[in-house]
Amino acid sequence: AQRVTQPEKLLSVFKGAPVELKCNYSYSGSPELFWYVQYSRQRLQLLLRHISRESIKGFTADLNKGETSFHLKKPFAQEEDSAMYYCAPHASGGSYIPTFGRGTSLIVHP
Amino acid sequence: DADVTQTPRNRITKTGKRIMLECSQTKGHDRMYWYRQDPGLGLQLIYYSFDVKDINKGEISDGYSVSRQAQAKFSLSLESAIPNQTALYFCATAKGSGTDTQYFGPGTRLTVL
Repeated sequence: AQRVTQPEKLLSVFKGAPVELKCNYSYSGSPELFWYVQYSRQRLQLLLRHISRESIKGFTADLNKGETSFHLKKPFAQEEDSAMYYCAPHASGGSYIPTFGRGTSLIVHP
Repeated sequence: DADVTQTPRNRITKTGKRIMLECSQTKGHDRMYWYRQDPGLGLQLIYYSFDVKDINKGEISDGYSVSRQAQAKFSLSLESAIPNQTALYFCATAKGSGTDTQYFGPGTRLTVL
């Protein structure tokens, strides 16, 4: 069964501290990995996806196929990073649908 | 992304009432989805549609129905609303593959009294 786990419901850090949001998945095949972000009172939007290998707003995510993890990292958190973050593996193949983790709420204190 | 719109944005209704939430998109995407968001539970898939003639149940479809009136429109109905359907509802679209990025609407906040 497809499963994605974000073990932290809430992550609280101070501005300038490093942050890591964890994501572990259990999927058949090789899913495409995504992180979506939802800022307060806004819609979900794509933050980054593994295949593009981009760094967005200073965030990066490393895919570890051995550990089936796709943790999101930023070396120096900013207050504007405070948001809800969702890890979402998208399975390959036309009939598959995305699965969203339960989300991690990141709060960055001044 | 203004290409995916939802109406209404907020709705308060009473138990037993029939409610319809609408989603429209101008992105030309084939795939459309309805999710509900509850605190601590993340996004749960209600229904999804790969094209006008292809509609599928998601993980929590009981109590809901959908209609794909056109490629651009996907409506969600609550046949007889109950209080535990109080949630934030999101519509999303994607191009045509399971690995494509999803684009979300602004959400509809539904309260069932």
